[in-house]
Amino acid sequence: DGGITQSPKYLFRKEGQNVTLSCEQNLNHDAMYWYRQDPGQGLRLIYYSQIVNDFQKGDIAEGYSVSREKKESFPLTVTSAQKNPTAFYLCASSMVGSNQPQHFGDGTRLSIL
Amino acid sequence: GENVEQHPSTLSVQEGDSAVIKCTYSDSASNYFPWYKQELGKGPQLIIDIRSNVGEKKDQRIAVTLNKTAKHFSLHITETQPEDSAVYFCAASGGYQKVTFGTGTKLQVIP
Repeated sequence: DGGITQSPKYLFRKEGQNVTLSCEQNLNHDAMYWYRQDPGQGLRLIYYSQIVNDFQKGDIAEGYSVSREKKESFPLTVTSAQKNPTAFYLCASSMVGSNQPQHFGDGTRLSIL
Repeated sequence: GENVEQHPSTLSVQEGDSAVIKCTYSDSASNYFPWYKQELGKGPQLIIDIRSNVGEKKDQRIAVTLNKTAKHFSLHITETQPEDSAVYFCAASGGYQKVTFGTGTKLQVIP
């Protein structure tokens, strides 16, 4: 079955640490996205990529970094510069083009120790 | 940029009744409106979408209506069942990759 796999499901970070969240898709989609979800705030876009080796900042990119070395993979690093990283992180993918629906993984919940 | 407002934030209905969730958007250039259902601990799942050249779309017990003049769109769920209990998100997009989401509606269907 095609889909999006996020790992790990739960992640704990110590103060001052960088952590990397994994996102892999086998839907053959060119576009991939990272969202942050906080209670009562919906989904906010962190970064997105429309093609390998290219990505753009979303609305809340500060304190985060990404890479897109392969079409299937779009890892997100939460750096120590992100002062409030506790949240539910969602990865999505879609075909490139106008009005293409996004398909989501089941998320990673990041907590601070 | 686009702003999407969603109401109500919580909604309780008796099993078998209908549920309606309403959204408004600000950018008249938006032309694609997907709806997502999110169950606890899971990612959002697309349940229905509508494009601006259509006023209404139905899929079994789910329907979405769009009023472009008023910049309103709504989700209607008829004959609700306990498995419909979840958080529902509306969203708006002007095309290509940028999608703006509403803040979500927690629907509880009471058996």
